Amino acid sequence: GESVGLHLPTLSVQEGDNSIINCAYSNSASDYFIWYKQESGKGPQFIIDIRSNMDKRQGQRVTVLLNKTVKHLSLQIAATQPGDSAVYFCAETPRGNQGGKLIFGQGTELSVKP
Amino acid sequence: DAGITQSPRHKVTETGTPVTLRCHQTENHRYMYWYRQDPGHGLRLIHYSYGVKDTDKGEVSDGYSVSRSKTEDFLLTLESATSSQTSVYFCAINRDRGLSKGTEAFFGQGTRLTVV
Repeated sequence: GESVGLHLPTLSVQEGDNSIINCAYSNSASDYFIWYKQESGKGPQFIIDIRSNMDKRQGQRVTVLLNKTVKHLSLQIAATQPGDSAVYFCAETPRGNQGGKLIFGQGTELSVKP
Repeated sequence: DAGITQSPRHKVTETGTPVTLRCHQTENHRYMYWYRQDPGHGLRLIHYSYGVKDTDKGEVSDGYSVSRSKTEDFLLTLESATSSQTSVYFCAINRDRGLSKGTEAFFGQGTRLTVV
């Protein structure tokens, strides 16, 4: 079946360094992708999204890159801070998906060392 | 968080008992969702609703039913709880972020359910 998956389950970075979290998706018909951050004991929180007609989108300290050729999505966090420690999920919405239902990847845990 | 309230936040129940989880929203959104989150599986859609009395199945709907009698409330029922339904359950709404910005699934704080 269709799936969204992450390459690395855990990522440890030094405070101040840049972080890159990767995601592979299998449904080439997906046209909308979102990155979520989930802190312990809380629900997922929207970070940034990107549509399939774009290759790159920037937010505050975060950048999402979409490579449709290899069906790969990445989240870049600049100057990683201790508050960035969390589990990060990518999610996709296939084109024509009624109601905006999301298909989630398994998540990557980001740990920031002071 | 603002806009969505899940209740209860924690529950322990026995196998075979019925359990109902409630999701309440204050923003009048049309779409509401129930997801479950388990280690190694991320979040998986159980059921969703696209209006009052309008619901549909998600990826893992077996053993669950839902009801939406009014816009603000979306109930998830486990008719006869099993240990495999021990999980963290999240309710979500679709929040429109404006033209061309798409919509964002906005999540509640979650309900931790343990079936013993």
